[in-house]
Amino acid sequence: ERVMTQSPATLSVSPGEGATLSCRASQSVSSNLAWYQQKPGQAPRLLIYGASTRATGVPARFSGSGSGTEFTLTISSLQSEDFAVYYCQQYYNWPLYTFGQGTKLEIK
Amino acid sequence: VQLLESGGGLVQPGGSLRLSCAASGFTFTSYAMNWVRQAPGKGLEWVSAINGAGDDTYYADSVKGRFTISKDNSKNTLYLQMNSLRAEDTATYYCAKDRTGYYAPLDYWGQGTLVTVSS
Repeated sequence: ERVMTQSPATLSVSPGEGATLSCRASQSVSSNLAWYQQKPGQAPRLLIYGASTRATGVPARFSGSGSGTEFTLTISSLQSEDFAVYYCQQYYNWPLYTFGQGTKLEIK
Repeated sequence: VQLLESGGGLVQPGGSLRLSCAASGFTFTSYAMNWVRQAPGKGLEWVSAINGAGDDTYYADSVKGRFTISKDNSKNTLYLQMNSLRAEDTATYYCAKDRTGYYAPLDYWGQGTLVTVSS
């Protein structure tokens, strides 16, 4: 099983600043990596797939990078609606998906 | 695309429950469908998947032998039969569609249905 590890667990950032979230896979997942955003009381929302492709309707301030075992989600100029929990997910072993434990992005 | 789960509720340990997910807005037979759960205050855990035709099923080790995923393509409905329920199965259960039908992430999710296993 490919284990996904996210860091940090919590990230405190001021609105208008940028944020960088990390995800590491225990074995290569190539570019089969997605990022999701989840707000309280809501279902997850797909943000990024293929490690770097934004899903439909996702603002350009969200960008993804990486391949193999190291991945990054970068959010430039944080807006109030961006404070949420973010999960990475590998689908290299589709459909046996595994998720990271999540990074909570909170307002500083 | 709309996914609407139902069937959650309170059940005693060892009991059974069947979840449903009514799908609309896409060709139901063209995409794999999944169940993903989230225990209160915890992260996401993939539970089970079924291919578009309904003849291939997959399970997480934590539910294998206790849960059964199925679909009725004539009704555009996904199911999860949950037997021998345990306290650790308490979670919000989401149904989710994969993006392309093969080696893809989950692009649409339902609003979730809460399952509570407690005496």
